[in-house]
Amino acid sequence: DAGVIQSPRHEVTEMGQEVTLRCKPISGHNSLFWYRQTMMRGLELLIYFNNNVPIDDSGMPEDRFSAKMPNASFSTLKIQPSEPRDSAVYFCASSLVGSLRTGELFFGEGSRLTVL
Amino acid sequence: AQSVTQPDIHITVSEGASLELRCNYSYGATPYLFWYVQSPGQGLQLLLKYFSGDTLVQGIKGFEAEFKRSQSSFNLRKPSVHWSDAAEYFCAVGVDTGTASKLTFGTGTRLQVTL
Repeated sequence: DAGVIQSPRHEVTEMGQEVTLRCKPISGHNSLFWYRQTMMRGLELLIYFNNNVPIDDSGMPEDRFSAKMPNASFSTLKIQPSEPRDSAVYFCASSLVGSLRTGELFFGEGSRLTVL
Repeated sequence: AQSVTQPDIHITVSEGASLELRCNYSYGATPYLFWYVQSPGQGLQLLLKYFSGDTLVQGIKGFEAEFKRSQSSFNLRKPSVHWSDAAEYFCAVGVDTGTASKLTFGTGTRLQVTL
C-alpha cells in the first residue's frame, strides 16, 4: 500500500503568490484531513472531508484558504494570496469513518511551505 | 469540545533511563486517546491507542500508556529509552461521529536522548 501521498514536499514562494498543495489518500479511505503544523500552534486541524464532502472547515484560518476534494482519490489545499505567516508544514491524513477503534489516522509526510 | 494538554514542551533523558510523557485531556464522555510519534521530516506514526477495557495499553517500540479517568490523564511511558526514540510525541483525543472520525492533538513534547 502506497500510503498517503502529498506533493510538493517543499515549496518556497513569494508573498502574494498562489500555492496549491495536493494529497492522494489511501485507497478505500473515506475521510480526509488537512492539518497545519507550526512551532507556535502545534498541529491544527484545518478541514476534513467525509466521502468527498467537507464536514467541518472551522479550522480554516481565513478566506485565503480553500480546500477541495473532487473525488475519492484526490484533494487540494489552496492558499491565495499567500502570506509569510502561512509558512508551516501542511499534513494530509486519511482514515475510515468510524475507525477510531482501530486507531489509525494515516499521515502523509507533509508539505513544507515557506512564504518569503 | 475536546482538548489535549501536554505540559512538557521539551524533555531530555539519558539513554537507558525511564521516560514518562504527560498528557491531560478534556472531553465530556469516555474518549478515544492516542499517542503518535513524529520523527524529523516525517509524518506522524501511531504508537498506541485506548478506547475501552484495560486502562494500561501496550504499543509499538516498547511504549505503554495508562488511562486514568480520575485524573483525565493518559501518560506515555517507556522503561528504558533508546537513542532512536528521540522525536516529537503527540497525544490526541478522538471523537467518532456518524460522519467522521476527528482527532485533536496536543502541542507535542520533544524528546531528546543523551548518550
